[in-house]
Amino acid sequence: GQNIDQPTEMTATEGAIVQINCTYQTSGFNGLFWYQQHAGEAPTFLSYNVLDGLEEKGRFSSFLSRSKGYSYLLLKELQMKDSASYLCAVRTRGSNYQLIWGAGTKLIIKP
Amino acid sequence: GAGVSQTPSNKVTEKGKYVELRCDPISGHTALYWYRQSLGQGPEFLIYFQGTGAADDSGLPNDRFFAVRPEGSVSTLKIQRTERGDSAVYLCASSLTGGASGQETQYFGPGTRLLVL
Repeated sequence: GQNIDQPTEMTATEGAIVQINCTYQTSGFNGLFWYQQHAGEAPTFLSYNVLDGLEEKGRFSSFLSRSKGYSYLLLKELQMKDSASYLCAVRTRGSNYQLIWGAGTKLIIKP
Repeated sequence: GAGVSQTPSNKVTEKGKYVELRCDPISGHTALYWYRQSLGQGPEFLIYFQGTGAADDSGLPNDRFFAVRPEGSVSTLKIQRTERGDSAVYLCASSLTGGASGQETQYFGPGTRLLVL
């Protein structure tokens, strides 16, 4: 089968750094996405990785290791507004609709 | 520019009733996706449109669910004889071409929260 695993919930302190891990087992791989979803709102795109390595975008960075089926999202200088769920999704084939989604990691930021 | 819009934002209905959920994608996006999301879960794929045609409807749970996109823009998801288990947030997303070129991104609408009593 195909599955994506993420921790259900994480807690971190305002101003700190947090790493959210995602491991995947899929029948194919053609890119990995991270989305942020605030409660009651739509998912919004954060980052995309298709090659191994680190992609940095401001306070957020995403890492991919295809050989290990592993990615992480790194959030620096945490702010209260970063409290949200973070969804990992793998595109398995050559068409964009074939995304396998993780259940998301709920991140709680404390002052 | 305008993002993906969905109406209604909330829908409460009784078991056995028929409902229609509407999605207005970003102008110029040829690819449109419907998902269903339950609390604490990721989006579950339902159907994908490329232009006017349903390129893949393999995610529709049963024949009570149907979706159309007659002019290649607005799409309607139709659910007949609703059941309590249909209660969820129905998300619509669109992307430019639906292809896998680079980081072509799906842009999501705010969703319709469906509650079947």
